[in-house]
Amino acid sequence: NFMLTQPHSVSESPGKTVALSCTRSSGSIASNYVQWYQQRPGSAPTNVIYDDDQRPSGVPDRFFGSIDSSSNSASLTISGLKTEDEADYYCQSYEGDNVIFGGGTKLTVL
Amino acid sequence: QLQLQESGPGLVTPSETLSLTCTVSGGSISISSYYWGWIRQPPGKGLEWIGSFYYGGNTYYNPSLKSRVSISVDASKNQFSLSLNSVTAADTAVYYCARDGGFRAVAGPFDFWGPGSLVTVSS
Repeated sequence: NFMLTQPHSVSESPGKTVALSCTRSSGSIASNYVQWYQQRPGSAPTNVIYDDDQRPSGVPDRFFGSIDSSSNSASLTISGLKTEDEADYYCQSYEGDNVIFGGGTKLTVL
Repeated sequence: QLQLQESGPGLVTPSETLSLTCTVSGGSISISSYYWGWIRQPPGKGLEWIGSFYYGGNTYYNPSLKSRVSISVDASKNQFSLSLNSVTAADTAVYYCARDGGFRAVAGPFDFWGPGSLVTVSS
């Protein structure tokens, strides 16, 4: 199975835009959909992007998902950063009968 | 609104079996067209998928845990359970139950989660 690699941590200022990456180690990123989850401290994860670029109901349009075949990666872009966006973010994909999570990125907004 | 709640012992002795139950309310496991699963998170670390099932259909497990894990269902109670045997300290984690809201088998997204249950493996 492939791995999903995410940067350990990212920092950005309120109001700015940040892109969190998720790189697939083997096989094409376009072969299987990518999901994204936000996890605030002490809480369960919540889904913020599904099927590469779809937003669940209730997720603000500041959250944008995309994939880039040239870098074999998926990205979660958050614009107009708010302090409430500070959280851990996980990407997730699948292959065959296996679900694969990335290691997560800690986003600090300060 | 769909809700999930994990329950079970918070402390398990090494080499014993970890058992947790997920109670689902606001929706039926047996008549919905969804997979249901377990995911865990060791303290300070990332998420790891344990396994998922479809009522009346297949059950899938993480290959790295397959030899030690089992998921069972009690439709009459709208519950499903996790059993993980021969546990070690490495199995200490918050265990989540969740619904796989996608339309493909074992693919995500996990759209409804329980609050999680911390299980510590220690003597």
